[in-house]
Amino acid sequence: KAGVTQTPRYLIKTRGQQVTLSCSPISGHRSVSWYQQTPGQGLQFLFEYFSETQRNKGNFPGRFSGRQFSNSRSEMNVSTLELGDSALYLCASSLQSSGANVLTFGAGSRLTVL
Amino acid sequence: QQPVQSPQAVILREGEDAVINCSSSKALYSVHWYRQKHGEAPVFLMILLKGGEQKGHEKISASFNEKKQQSSLYLTASQLSYSGTYFCGTGAFSGGSYIPTFGRGTSLIVHP
Repeated sequence: KAGVTQTPRYLIKTRGQQVTLSCSPISGHRSVSWYQQTPGQGLQFLFEYFSETQRNKGNFPGRFSGRQFSNSRSEMNVSTLELGDSALYLCASSLQSSGANVLTFGAGSRLTVL
Repeated sequence: QQPVQSPQAVILREGEDAVINCSSSKALYSVHWYRQKHGEAPVFLMILLKGGEQKGHEKISASFNEKKQQSSLYLTASQLSYSGTYFCGTGAFSGGSYIPTFGRGTSLIVHP
């Protein structure tokens, strides 16, 4: 069974640019959530999508957005990049949107903003 | 608010035991534990649900004290493969859906 696939794995952008990251969940998983991981803050929740609808959102500015397609694949977009956006972006999929469901993480997309 | 993990780091020799704690200021519905090795994705270890149900790893155990809003992960007879950063995840329901929050992690290093 294929795991969670994130692309690209590494990317370098400059301030002011925008970036789109992609996440393909495990087949059959309808919930996809996104996290920002930095050494200082750990794993911080960005947002979650379930059946193409955003279920909830973390405490991030509006420059961070996402969407989910009918095949459950998800994308997240960060516009007007800032140096502080440099981080590992992880997505995770689960069967349902619930605190009782196990999250399966992808390997992440490492974004460097220069 | 993020749950608070302690200690921040642990260094062990193979065969020794370790305990990692996770405390929350909010009532807990569930606690998840994940391990992340350097450069890899976090991997599920354990989930503890309110009411005592526990699902997870056969060689790692955990406790969940709902009253104290705490969970502890017990690593016994540690192996080299246990090295990594351990995260606890808690959360709360908002508008009918669950918002997860993770601690900042505990770095565990196991030496031969």
